[in-house]
Amino acid sequence: DAKTTQPPSMDCAEGRAANLPCNHSTISGNEYVYWYRQIHSQGPQYIIHGLKNNETNEMASLIITEDRKSSTLILPHATLRDTAVYYCIVIGTDSWGKLQFGAGTQVVVTP
Amino acid sequence: GAVVSQHPSRVICKSGTSVKIECRSLDFQATTMFWYRQFPKQSLMLMATSNEGSKATYEQGVEKDKFLINHASLTLSTLTVTSAHPEDSSFYICSATPGQGWYEQYFGPGTRLTVT
Repeated sequence: DAKTTQPPSMDCAEGRAANLPCNHSTISGNEYVYWYRQIHSQGPQYIIHGLKNNETNEMASLIITEDRKSSTLILPHATLRDTAVYYCIVIGTDSWGKLQFGAGTQVVVTP
Repeated sequence: GAVVSQHPSRVICKSGTSVKIECRSLDFQATTMFWYRQFPKQSLMLMATSNEGSKATYEQGVEKDKFLINHASLTLSTLTVTSAHPEDSSFYICSATPGQGWYEQYFGPGTRLTVT
């Protein structure tokens, strides 16, 4: 599976949009981009995933560049409850669901 | 969304004893479950993949005789830490997939194991 690079931390003001970048320059054609988050001392929570098109759900939007070498997770209106570690994971269909978590980005939403 | 539970949420045991952790999918059948371990201030590390009715497959470096995994039904997988030692103290998390979409993984709340 392709590796990902994320900034170790970022702060965001409550009510503002949080834009979380992820680089995955070695991604291959059959690999998806997944985002999970982990609130302190809890199990990870699925956020969104995509292949090449931009995706949106009730939690977030995922913007994938045309060359698929990077993506951005957007939390449109950050709340204090969005404070968590966010993981960007690239996984292919031949990985049988095995998620390899990197260090992620610690997002702190401040009032 | 789908719900996965773990029991117990916290456990303290003495060195040398064994501890069993249960992972249940409450509202769906899980053909595959995964077990992760997370040390303080570190990321999750995949330990093993558990398929219903078959032997678990372990990641490199994970001792299969120390971490016994059983997936006897479509809603239950158990992880037994045998002869636990203080270095086994960690946060153990399971995840489960409904089967139709391997990417739909739902995580349990985790079990905090402390070995004294």
